[in-house]
Amino acid sequence: DVKVTQSSRYLVKRTGEKVFLECVQDMDHENMFWYRQDPGLGLRLIYFSYDVKMKEKGDIPEGYSVSREKKERFSLILESASTNQTSMYLCASLLGVSNQPQHFGDGTRLSIL
Amino acid sequence: GQNIDQPTEMTATEGAIVQINCTYQTSGFNGLFWYQQHAGEAPTFLSYNVLDGLEEKGRFSSFLSRSKGYSYLLLKELQMKDSASYLCAVFNAGNNRKLIWGLGTSLAVNP
Repeated sequence: DVKVTQSSRYLVKRTGEKVFLECVQDMDHENMFWYRQDPGLGLRLIYFSYDVKMKEKGDIPEGYSVSREKKERFSLILESASTNQTSMYLCASLLGVSNQPQHFGDGTRLSIL
Repeated sequence: GQNIDQPTEMTATEGAIVQINCTYQTSGFNGLFWYQQHAGEAPTFLSYNVLDGLEEKGRFSSFLSRSKGYSYLLLKELQMKDSASYLCAVFNAGNNRKLIWGLGTSLAVNP
């Protein structure tokens, strides 16, 4: 089974802080994704990566950046956290460019105070 | 544009059958996924359809009609643990590796 692990289930940070969310997958998947999920807005793609050191913007990249230095790890960075970034953050991984399902981590519920 | 529509909420009774519909308008189509998401948890994969017809997997079945841009998820013999949100997502190979997600249908199963 694919295992996608996110570093924290719950995280509380203050406005203006730099925040790092980490995601690790153990199945050598090429593709990794960061989403946020908010009530009434569904899953929205922030960034994704299809290879080491490669990244592409999703639908809502503003205020975020990402890092993929190793194939198994994909980090989401909030450069200067703001209260509107309070959300559930979900990481996913995917094998190849195919009809395979994305596999999700357990999510990080981030609160910015 | 690209759009996926699902009902926001549904309720059903334990032991009954429920059908959750999904309609889509996308610039391309290479398959449709259904995911289940319990409150506070991550989405988990349920089914994938790329050809027209019904795919059955235990108590869950998923149907696709590409000409109508329509899919449904059928849940039989409902159990309380089926109370969850059900997400429909379309895969379009021309959209790189990104999925187009519906907002999800929140299903409440009552005793």
